[in-house]
Amino acid sequence: SYELTQPPSVSVSPGQTARITCSGDALPKEYASWYQQKPGQAPVRIIYKDRERPSGIPERFSGSSSGTTATLTISGVRAEDEADYYCQSADTSDSYVAFGGGTNLIVL
Amino acid sequence: QVQLQETGPGLVKSSETLSLTCAVSGDSVNTPYFWGWVRQPPGRGLEWIGSINQYGTTYYNPPLKSRVSISIDTSKNHFSLNVVSVTAADTAMYYCVRDGVRTGDSLDTWGQGTMVTVSS
Repeated sequence: SYELTQPPSVSVSPGQTARITCSGDALPKEYASWYQQKPGQAPVRIIYKDRERPSGIPERFSGSSSGTTATLTISGVRAEDEADYYCQSADTSDSYVAFGGGTNLIVL
Repeated sequence: QVQLQETGPGLVKSSETLSLTCAVSGDSVNTPYFWGWVRQPPGRGLEWIGSINQYGTTYYNPPLKSRVSISIDTSKNHFSLNVVSVTAADTAMYYCVRDGVRTGDSLDTWGQGTMVTVSS
């Protein structure tokens, strides 16, 4: 199987910038996506193809990828951004979909 | 806009079979997308179970492969999940998803999820 590694939690003050990393050996070759999950709700895709943002997702959410690390950046963090964030990628040679363990974003 | 809705029993007895169906509206399952299942045990992270396309081609998460099967009914525009010999470890929220991963995309649409509890 294919593993993606995220920090369990990230803390940030309102208005600051939060960065959540995702590490995986296949990331140089495979796209990363990011999902936001608030308590009691289904995950919502917020970034795909490393840096593309679906319609309706605020511009303060952005993604990047370099080498074996993908990064989700949230600029000007708001209290409403407090949630769990999951990265996702795939090992397309095996058609295996992998999730990171999730990062709990804490807005102080 | 595509919508997904999971249905199935919320309680399954240990050693029995868990069966869920996902109804697709606003789109047809006869597309280049795959259609899949993701689960989340209480208080834990997301786990991909597997996916299927319109031709019945399936991919499964290796640790679950021996107990899981996914099927598709193009006439009813829905797809289904079976998990046999369930244990307490299968207690989770189960989500159905539209899976564009094999075309370089992502899991772009999620159902609201259905909670399944395995009882002894």
